[in-house]
Amino acid sequence: ETGVTQSPTHLIKTRGQQVTLRCSSQSGHNTVSWYQQALGQGPQFIFQYYREEENGRGNFPPRFSGLQFPNYSSELNVNALELDDSALYLCASSRPREAETQYFGPGTRLLVL
Amino acid sequence: SQELEQSPQSLIVQEGKNLTINCTSSKTLYGLYWYKQKYGEGLIFLMMLQKGGEEKSHEKITAKLDEKKQQSSLHITASQPSHAGIYLCGADQNTGNQFYFGTGTSLTVIP
Repeated sequence: ETGVTQSPTHLIKTRGQQVTLRCSSQSGHNTVSWYQQALGQGPQFIFQYYREEENGRGNFPPRFSGLQFPNYSSELNVNALELDDSALYLCASSRPREAETQYFGPGTRLLVL
Repeated sequence: SQELEQSPQSLIVQEGKNLTINCTSSKTLYGLYWYKQKYGEGLIFLMMLQKGGEEKSHEKITAKLDEKKQQSSLHITASQPSHAGIYLCGADQNTGNQFYFGTGTSLTVIP
């Protein structure tokens, strides 16, 4: 098991609601990336945080936002939830520019009804 | 943006058989990564390839990156039920702040 933890493990929300997902990083890792994995598909890169700032972003709308804290843990916030937001949300921590050190958390499964 | 296409989409093999999974990129790869995912769980890093023609092995899994650095293959020898899962290839852009995954290959190994 990696040292990356995510909470909650499962979540059910309704359309229009807001959700916050949390991720704690592996010791020594100061970069956190978030991914959305729909059923039967590969993970899609949402964004990356480094030194508490967004350091790269995939093709996701602004209602997907994030934070990174001084202890390198991170939050993913999604506003105005849509049915298509139902997915497994994965976070990964790593050292900067060292994708091979990406350690993934177990994920948060979000269901939007 | 980088696009990674994997084939086959799913694979069912008898225990003991060999198998190959392919990953093809729309752009030159600066780094190609292979991960394994148990259903509904996080990803486990397997191997990273960077140089054209590079080949790496770990236990019964071998990965290669072709000379042109646009295609990689993952080969499993004498498959076991423990190899079952989803195999994903991934690549990062040269900037290092975005990462892309392939479409995934679901492997089932029948005892």
